Amino acid sequence: DGGITQSPKYLFRKEGQNVTLSCEQNLNHDAMYWYRQDPGQGLRLIYYSQIVNDFQKGDIAEGYSVSREKKESFPLTVTSAQKNPTAFYLCASSPPGSFNHEQYFGPGTRLTVT
Amino acid sequence: QQQVKQSPQSLIVQKGGISIINCAYENTAFDYFPWYQQFPGKGPALLIAIRPDVSEKKEGRFTISFNKSAKQFSLHIMDSQPGDSATYFCAASGQAGTALIFGKGTTLSVSS
Repeated sequence: DGGITQSPKYLFRKEGQNVTLSCEQNLNHDAMYWYRQDPGQGLRLIYYSQIVNDFQKGDIAEGYSVSREKKESFPLTVTSAQKNPTAFYLCASSPPGSFNHEQYFGPGTRLTVT
Repeated sequence: QQQVKQSPQSLIVQKGGISIINCAYENTAFDYFPWYQQFPGKGPALLIAIRPDVSEKKEGRFTISFNKSAKQFSLHIMDSQPGDSATYFCAASGQAGTALIFGKGTTLSVSS
């Protein structure tokens, strides 16, 4: 089955710890994205990557980092510098030629930091 | 100018009725307008999308109406069913690297 997988579905961490969220896709999509979703806030872009070894900051990149070493993988690290990390995190990807247009989302990871 | 304003925030519709959700944008460079459907605890799913060269697009019970001069677009769900109860997001993006900008969502409840 082709698709986008995010793991784990739920993640709990103590304040001050870095945590890495996984995103993998087997759709042969070039572009990948990370969004944060808070109640009543819609989706806000954290980082995006159009090709391997290249990524750009989105609207709310502070306190986050990413890497894109493989086309299939785009992990997100939530660092201890992120002031309010508890949220629902969504990864998405776009087919070739559809950068910033068609985006297909994974199932999300709900991160709770206490 | 980068915002997409979505209304209403919540909507209750009787089974079989028409659900209408509206969005407005400012940036005339936007050229792609999708709608996403999201069930609780799941990722958003692309429902239907439109480009500004057409005024309407229909897929099954879902229709996007697009008014370029008013910079508005709307989602119409005909014969609404309880299974349509979800949060709907409009979005917009353009060329030259303009990111996909999302509205804040509309929570639809279809009562049986």
